[in-house]
Order: sequence, then structure tokens, then C-alpha cells
Amino acid sequence: EIVLTQSPGTLSLSPGERATLSCRASQSVSSTYLAWYQQKPGQGPRLLLYGASSRATGIPDRFSGSGSGTDFTLTISRLEPEDFAVYYCQQYGNSRLTFGGGTKVEIK
Amino acid sequence: EVYLVESGGGLVQPGRSLTLSCAASGFTFDHYAIHWVRQAPGMGLEWVSSISWNGGIMDYADSVKGRFTISRDNAKNSLYLQMNSLRPEDTAFYYCAKDIVEYGSGSFCLDYWGQGTLVTVSS
Repeated sequence: EIVLTQSPGTLSLSPGERATLSCRASQSVSSTYLAWYQQKPGQGPRLLLYGASSRATGIPDRFSGSGSGTDFTLTISRLEPEDFAVYYCQQYGNSRLTFGGGTKVEIK
Repeated sequence: EVYLVESGGGLVQPGRSLTLSCAASGFTFDHYAIHWVRQAPGMGLEWVSSISWNGGIMDYADSVKGRFTISRDNAKNSLYLQMNSLRPEDTAFYYCAKDIVEYGSGSFCLDYWGQGTLVTVSS
């Protein structure tokens, strides 16, 4: 099973700042098979990016993704108030889906 | 618009059974694999099970294999999760989620999720 480790656990930033979230895999993941989700309290997750860098339907372009192999990054260029949430990476190239432990982006 | 609505959660004693349902609308249900993903309160996401678009391929996390059974009724646009021999560690919100790939042969990423239903296993 591929283990995904996200860092930091919590990111304290102000609206307008840039957020950089990391996802590291225990073994190489094809960039084709790496996704990012956003989850707000009381809601199911929302798909942000798939294929490491392709935005899902309706996702604003302030969200971007990059990386390959074992290291992937989600960047939010300028935080909007609605972006404060928990973010999860997920790999799906291996036979079983696995998720990272999440990064909480909170208001500083 | 795509909707996935879970139901059937509740309080159940250890060792007992419970069946969850997921009603889907807004997309061609029988073209997509569907997954169950759970989340213990305050914790991260754990994939539980998936079923292929035609119901021919099912897969389970090791933590539930032999106890949970996933099924679907494409005529009713519905997904089910039969949970037997429930344990306190099965306590979680259970989400159904749609796979992004049409007629996919495996599991990919999940482009629509429901709001979840809470299962609490406690005596």
C-alpha cells in the first residue's frame, strides 16, 4: 500500500497570502494518478485537482498542482476566505485508493 | 446536477449489522464505478470499498474484508453497503463517491461525494 504523508499538519495564514501544501508518497506515484480534495466542516470532500495538476470542474485558477514521483504540491496563490479548510491528497495508480492525513489551512 | 445521498446510518451495538444506501441522480449511474469512503470523527479519509460500473468487480479495504459487502442496483440508481460484525473502530461518517472515469477498469479519483451518514458502533 502506498502511504501518503502530508505536511504541514496545520498552516496558519491570512487571506491574500500564498499557501503551499506538500504530499509525499512512500513509493513513486504516476503524476497521472494524484488528486487533491478540499473538505469543509460538515461537508463531503470536493475534488480540486486530478492528474496532479488538472483542475476539476468549477475550480478557480488560484488552485494549482505540481510534482512527480514521490513529491507533490498544492498551491493556493491568494487565499480567499472560503479556502480555509482541510486539504487531502490521494493516489489512485495503485490498486487501492489511499489518502494523506490532511493539512488544515486556518486563518491566522 | 450530480447528487449522492447516503442514508441508513445510526447507533448499533458491536457485533450487529447495518446496511447503508446511497441514492444517485444527475448522471448515468450505470456508467461509473462508485466507492464508499469513511471518516472517523475528527480524523482523515479511509477508502472502504468500490464496485465497478456493472457490478462485476468489487474491492475492499483489508480492515473490512469479509465483514462488509458492496452492491448496486443500476435500475434504481442505488448503491449499498452491508456491514456485518460491526466493531467500535467502524464508527465513522460513511460517504459514497462517484469515480471520475466512465467505464473505468479500476479505481481513479472521486469527482462527486455525498454529505455522508454517521455510523456509531457502541454498546
